[in-house]
Amino acid sequence: DSGVTQTPKHLITATGQRVTLRCSPRSGDLSVYWYQQSLDQGLQFLIQYYNGEERAKGNILERFSAQQFPDLHSELNLSSLELGDSALYFCASSVEGTGFEKLFFGSGTQLSVL
Amino acid sequence: GQNIDQPTEMTATEGAIVQINCTYQTSGFNGLFWYQQHAGEAPTFLSYNVLDGLEEKGRFSSFLSRSKGYSYLLLKELQMKDSASYLCAVRDRNSGYSTLTFGKGTMLLVSP
Repeated sequence: DSGVTQTPKHLITATGQRVTLRCSPRSGDLSVYWYQQSLDQGLQFLIQYYNGEERAKGNILERFSAQQFPDLHSELNLSSLELGDSALYFCASSVEGTGFEKLFFGSGTQLSVL
Repeated sequence: GQNIDQPTEMTATEGAIVQINCTYQTSGFNGLFWYQQHAGEAPTFLSYNVLDGLEEKGRFSSFLSRSKGYSYLLLKELQMKDSASYLCAVRDRNSGYSTLTFGKGTMLLVSP
């Protein structure tokens, strides 16, 4: 157990809908990262937060948004869902978010868009 | 941008040694990580190299050559539980706060 908690574990929804994925980092970790993993693209970095502030942005679509709350948990919002958004979404955390640290990954949310 | 290449699949026999290669192209290399990911599970950290040379940790070792843009993960005394995907990830200082870019992973199948 990495100490990073993600909910829900599975999510099935329809095209055009909006969903929210939730992540609680390890105790003491200030930085949260979101990754998307699909079979053909591998693990793709979406966005990083540190202590409530956005720190880095990767290949995140405009339909997607995220935030980190004062209690350090983070939410990833996916809207106007398309079939291609079906993937495994991972949250990871680290202490300072400098990139010099190893990441601790949650068990992921499997999103299926039908 | 970054380009990370790993073989898609490898097979090996229990008790053997296997080397998984990773080549990368990046303008601001600032470290390389290896992660292990079992099917349907979260990636877990294996090793980290920032300087040239070999880092050994039990049955696993990782090597880095910055001049060649090359790393390998060496797994010794293979066990069935080592069947997993192995992800090479590169940190680039030009990506701002050094975010990690992952390769697509190498699926290793260990057979009896």
